[in-house]
Amino acid sequence: SQTIHQWPATLVQPVGSPLSLECTVEGTSNPNLYWYRQAAGRGLQLLFYSVGIGQISSEVPQNLSASRPQDRQFILSSKKLLLSDSGFYLCAWGRSNQPQHFGDGTRLSIL
Amino acid sequence: RKEVEQDPGPFNVPEGATVAFNCTYSNSASQSFFWYRQDCRKEPKLLMSVYSSGNEDGRFTAQLNRASQYISLLIRDSKLSDSATYLCVVGETGGFKTIFGAGTRLFVKA
Repeated sequence: SQTIHQWPATLVQPVGSPLSLECTVEGTSNPNLYWYRQAAGRGLQLLFYSVGIGQISSEVPQNLSASRPQDRQFILSSKKLLLSDSGFYLCAWGRSNQPQHFGDGTRLSIL
Repeated sequence: RKEVEQDPGPFNVPEGATVAFNCTYSNSASQSFFWYRQDCRKEPKLLMSVYSSGNEDGRFTAQLNRASQYISLLIRDSKLSDSATYLCVVGETGGFKTIFGAGTRLFVKA
């Protein structure tokens, strides 16, 4: 069966520090991968999606970036975090053009 | 106007009740529609897709009204375990951009 792993579960970072969130998928190959952010009381916002290794599409201009160095690995990064980057970050994968399975999420707090 | 709008609720219903949620979307060219369920502080889980002809999965029925640009979710015989936030999701034609609504909170009480 397919599983998706995302870590860390929670993270507290100071403003201006770098960020790296990692997501891996098991049990499937060539999945479509997604990074979402959910702010308190708001819907999920699509940040990035990837249809293959090295192929990243950005939906929202921001100080975040994503990379897909391997087929089943998706990384969300930032060089300098802002207060507004706080939120619940979710990695997801799917076979069609919508996410079907989400990771457990990372709660990011910026101080 | 938000791309996808939902009544945030909360909807408080007794066990066994029937409850319905609506969701409106602004892009008339949208082609794919879904309902997700999200438990408190957990990740969303796909509940069901919404087809033009409507579809049913057990106690859950989803409907699409393209003319009025809304989708609905009907839950019959509510269970305590149905308590969650229900997210409406709309996808664009041929693309990967899916817009999530902010969700409708449901509380089912004994």
